[in-house]
Amino acid sequence: SQQGEEDPQALSIQEGENATMNCSYKTSINNLQWYRQNSGRGLVHLILIRSNEREKHSGRLRVTLDTSKKSSSLLITASRAADTASYFCATGRNNLFFGTGTRLTVIP
Amino acid sequence: EAGVAQSPRYKIIEKRQSVAFWCNPISGHATLYWYQQILGQGPKLLIQFQNNGVVDDSQLPKDRFSAERLKGVDSTLKIQPAKLEDSAVYLCASTLAGQGEGYGYTFGSGTRLTVV
Repeated sequence: SQQGEEDPQALSIQEGENATMNCSYKTSINNLQWYRQNSGRGLVHLILIRSNEREKHSGRLRVTLDTSKKSSSLLITASRAADTASYFCATGRNNLFFGTGTRLTVIP
Repeated sequence: EAGVAQSPRYKIIEKRQSVAFWCNPISGHATLYWYQQILGQGPKLLIQFQNNGVVDDSQLPKDRFSAERLKGVDSTLKIQPAKLEDSAVYLCASTLAGQGEGYGYTFGSGTRLTVV
C-alpha cells in the first residue's frame, strides 16, 4: 500500500505548546501532502512538499520530508484551541492515499 | 472561488435501498475523486475521474457502487443496494490536474450516510 501512516494516533497538548506529528510511507513519491479535518467536516489542504524538498513552512506549520527514511513530520508551533482536529498525511503517484490520522486536542 | 459542493449533507436509508450523492467540483478542475471515510479511519479512494473519463476505479465495489461524471463537470455516486457497512461519510474532491502534477485537493463537506 502507498498510504501514509501517522504517529501518534492521538496527541493532547496545552495551548501555546508545539505539536509534532509523524508520517511514514512505503513507496517512492512525487510529493506528500498534509490535511486537517475538523470534526464532521471535509478535509482542508494544509501544505504540499515535493520529493526534492526537505523542509517547507507555512505560517505556524513546518513540514519536513526525509525520502531516505520514507518519513515526514508536521510541526504546529504555538498551538491554539482552534487547531484541535485530525491531521492526515497523504501520498501516492496518481492518486492520494490517506493514513488513519493523528487526533490532536489542544487544551485551552 | 466557490468550493466543492456536495448534496445531500445527510442521508438515512434502510439496508437494500438505493441512494445517490451529487458533487459539483471547482470550476476548471479536471480531476474529480470520490472517497469513503468510515468513522475513525482515513478517507479511502473509491474512484478518480479525469474530465469525464474514469482513471481509476480499482477500489470501487462495482457490484453495488456506480459513479459517473457527465460532461466532465458534476458527478454522481450511487449505491444500490446499500448495506450496513456502507455507513460512512462520502467525500468528493477536485484538483486542477492529477496528483502526479503536485496540486492539493479541495474537498467538499461530504455526505454522511447512515444505513439502518
